[in-house]
Amino acid sequence: DAGVIQSPRHEVTEMGQEVTLRCKPISGHDYLFWYRQTMMRGLELLIYFNNNVPIDDSGMPEDRFSAKMPNASFSTLKIQPSEPRDSAVYFCASSASGQGSGYTFGSGTRLTVV
Amino acid sequence: GESVGLHLPTLSVQEGDNSIINCAYSNSASDYFIWYKQESGKGPQFIIDIRSNMDKRQGQRVTVLLNKTVKHLSLQIAATQPGDSAVYFCAENGGAGGSYIPTFGRGTSLIVHP
Repeated sequence: DAGVIQSPRHEVTEMGQEVTLRCKPISGHDYLFWYRQTMMRGLELLIYFNNNVPIDDSGMPEDRFSAKMPNASFSTLKIQPSEPRDSAVYFCASSASGQGSGYTFGSGTRLTVV
Repeated sequence: GESVGLHLPTLSVQEGDNSIINCAYSNSASDYFIWYKQESGKGPQFIIDIRSNMDKRQGQRVTVLLNKTVKHLSLQIAATQPGDSAVYFCAENGGAGGSYIPTFGRGTSLIVHP
């Protein structure tokens, strides 16, 4: 398995533009997580899905952020409109139920909003 | 609210020395703890975990110690190597119903000097 795959690796966009981040979890994993990492706040959980259903989105900062998981092999995190303070590294992770040691992160998307 | 935190943001050691990275947690109900290693440009990777019914667990060159009395967790790395340079995170299980939803600390940067 290639692991959790995220795209793009880097994204630079202008303030006000829409940004879409993509994630392909490990096949067979039924949990998918979106995290945001900044120097100031560390790793923050934004939202997670179980069997493609959003379970907890309390970490999503604002209505500008939305996430979808249309099927077991794909998820998106969308920011519309983007703002400079959204600049961060966004990680996707997946796991199988109850397996903490099987929690696998992708390589992340570094987002810069100018 | 309850949180997971780290005592030292940066730790510098000489190659060959032993390293100890500390973590304090405040949720006395947490029953599962994990250490992750994050290298530059990559997502966090699982190192070792420990359940609350244990006070010590050993892996290859790494040992995790858990002191539930003072709610303290530590990661010991023996014979530290330059390849161990990374940011280390502790995480506690914040999930309900048997799911595993980690809450991450801020991280400690380990710098290994050759």
